[in-house]
Amino acid sequence: EAGVVQSPRYKIIEKKQPVAFWCNPISGHNTLYWYLQNLGQGPELLIRYENEEAVDDSQLPKDRFSAERLKGVDSTLKIQPAELGDSAVYLCASSFQGDGELFFGEGSRLTVL
Amino acid sequence: QKEVEQNSGPLSVPEGAIASLNCTYSDRVSQSFFWYRQYSGKSPELIMSIYSNGDKEDGRFTAQLNKASQYVSLLIRDSQPSDSATYLCAVNMGSARQLTFGSGTQLTVLP
Repeated sequence: EAGVVQSPRYKIIEKKQPVAFWCNPISGHNTLYWYLQNLGQGPELLIRYENEEAVDDSQLPKDRFSAERLKGVDSTLKIQPAELGDSAVYLCASSFQGDGELFFGEGSRLTVL
Repeated sequence: QKEVEQNSGPLSVPEGAIASLNCTYSDRVSQSFFWYRQYSGKSPELIMSIYSNGDKEDGRFTAQLNKASQYVSLLIRDSQPSDSATYLCAVNMGSARQLTFGSGTQLTVLP
């Protein structure tokens, strides 16, 4: 069974440029998460989807971040414009029942210059 | 005050010893608790979940939960160098059941 797939693995951009990350969850997993992880810190939730619905986006900086999960499968996380402080690893995860047993993708490492 | 707190370490133990990792959480009504392992440069992977007070054993790993003290721990018996990683405690918190992670404890098992 394929795991959670994320792309790109690495992205280097200049500040004020836009960037987008894509995630394909494990087949049959209804719950999808986007987390941000800084070096030496635990993952921090940005947004959680139950099927197509964003059920928890309280930590998403909505002035520059946006996300969508069309048809309840793939998801895209966008940052526009990127700031230096956005440099981090963006992790996508999915779970079957949204109960905390998450499967993570390999992550997308963003560097903003 | 962080909602999920862990000692950041680093924690070093000799090969074959017991490694003890601790975690406290702030939300008294939390019901679900998890331990994730994260190797350097890799993503977190789930190793244990625990939902009831007491101990839960899985191979060399034992998770312990004490809801009254808002405390969860992970014991690794017969530690191996391959256990060297950062261990993340995660708790489902609040009415939205937001999975909140601690900062992690870095464990090094010395050969």
